[in-house]
Amino acid sequence: DAGITQSPRHKVTETGTPVTLRCHQTENHRYMYWYRQDPGHGLRLIHYSYGVKDTDKGEVSDGYSVSRSKTEDFLLTLESATSSQTSVYFCAISGQGDNGYTFGSGTRLTVV
Amino acid sequence: QQQVKQSPQSLIVQKGGISIINCAYENTAFDYFPWYQQFPGKGPALLIAIRPDVSEKKEGRFTISFNKSAKQFSLHIMDSQPGDSATYFCAATMNRDDKIIFGKGTRLHILP
Repeated sequence: DAGITQSPRHKVTETGTPVTLRCHQTENHRYMYWYRQDPGHGLRLIHYSYGVKDTDKGEVSDGYSVSRSKTEDFLLTLESATSSQTSVYFCAISGQGDNGYTFGSGTRLTVV
Repeated sequence: QQQVKQSPQSLIVQKGGISIINCAYENTAFDYFPWYQQFPGKGPALLIAIRPDVSEKKEGRFTISFNKSAKQFSLHIMDSQPGDSATYFCAATMNRDDKIIFGKGTRLHILP
């Protein structure tokens, strides 16, 4: 999606290892969000940010941390990956007007 | 109170028919109700949105009907086409720039 990129697109990692997913935006939007998508659960908010170094927890934040040192980058870290964190992770940004969220293309993470 | 309940989980409609997806909410503080469309392998994309001071909003073949007293809203897709086959999410937020609460999604399949 234009203006927002996620990396990597796919990752396989082992249980217990740390993993960092990156979200990069070129829109200079203040608000950024991390969601996970699982069958039967829809999209669930993990963490979100209202600005540089201003972050807060969502409904499924356990086992995850985030950092935002620059407006354009929002990092999601799994401190010690578990199989239950196997999921598709989406980053989203929010700007002005009634344009809602713009989502990235997602990162498919598999924890083995 | 933060939940948005969406039904059905899956829906099969003949080409040319009307697809209807329903959502309900409890929190009367919600004031912005977007719908997102997601194709396989892609992030969700904003389809159409409505505010509670309007009972209906139409954009092409897509219409949102909103019943404030019943705390329900629905998406109608007229003349459904195979290209409409996707997962649809209803959502709600208390502030357009605040975090969005998503329903669990509806997988729509339009038969050719």
